[in-house]
Amino acid sequence: GDSVTQMEGPVTLSEEAFLTINCTYTATGYPSLFWYVQYPGEGLQLLLKATKADDKGSNKGFEATYRKETTSFHLEKGSVQVSDSAVYFCALGYKLIFGSGTRLLVRP
Amino acid sequence: DAGVTQSPTHLIKTRGQQVTLRCSPKSGHDTVSWYQQALGQGPQFIFQYYEEEERQRGNFPDRFSGHQFPNYSSELNVNALLLGDSALYLCASSPTGTSSGANVLTFGAGSRLTVL
Repeated sequence: GDSVTQMEGPVTLSEEAFLTINCTYTATGYPSLFWYVQYPGEGLQLLLKATKADDKGSNKGFEATYRKETTSFHLEKGSVQVSDSAVYFCALGYKLIFGSGTRLLVRP
Repeated sequence: DAGVTQSPTHLIKTRGQQVTLRCSPKSGHDTVSWYQQALGQGPQFIFQYYEEEERQRGNFPDRFSGHQFPNYSSELNVNALLLGDSALYLCASSPTGTSSGANVLTFGAGSRLTVL
């Protein structure tokens, strides 16, 4: 069945560092891909999405490109802030099949 | 405009008991989905309700059941609780008429269930 694999965390970075969180998927066809973010005590929020191959989703300085060839959807940000500290989930498809999440901790 | 509200926020039960969790969808949304998020894991789809009927279901046993009311609010019921049912239960709502419902899912903050 469809599945999502994310790099294990936690990922600890200093403020203004470059961020990459890896996400690969297994799926039938070409489902939509998503990144969600979960801040402590809050609900999941959609961060960005891509609906077809080669699409680039972007929001709040985060980007991810739908790579059909490598079945990947890696999340990147050029300069992280302390406020980016959260758990990030990669997900696919209509019912949202989630990865296990990657915790990001940004130190001042 | 209130988003998705869930109650209770925390609760503790013992094995074998039954629990009911409640969800009020975002204004303008009429479809409700429920997810289970175990500690350190991503959310897993339980089921979705629309027009007071279960429309889709994930890989969960019949101990998990739900209901949707005419005002679109929803309940998740879990019978014969097991230790493994301890998790954060998330409710998400969406409007109808979208080609891909996942695009406009709004999540609540969840109900954390602990089974002792």
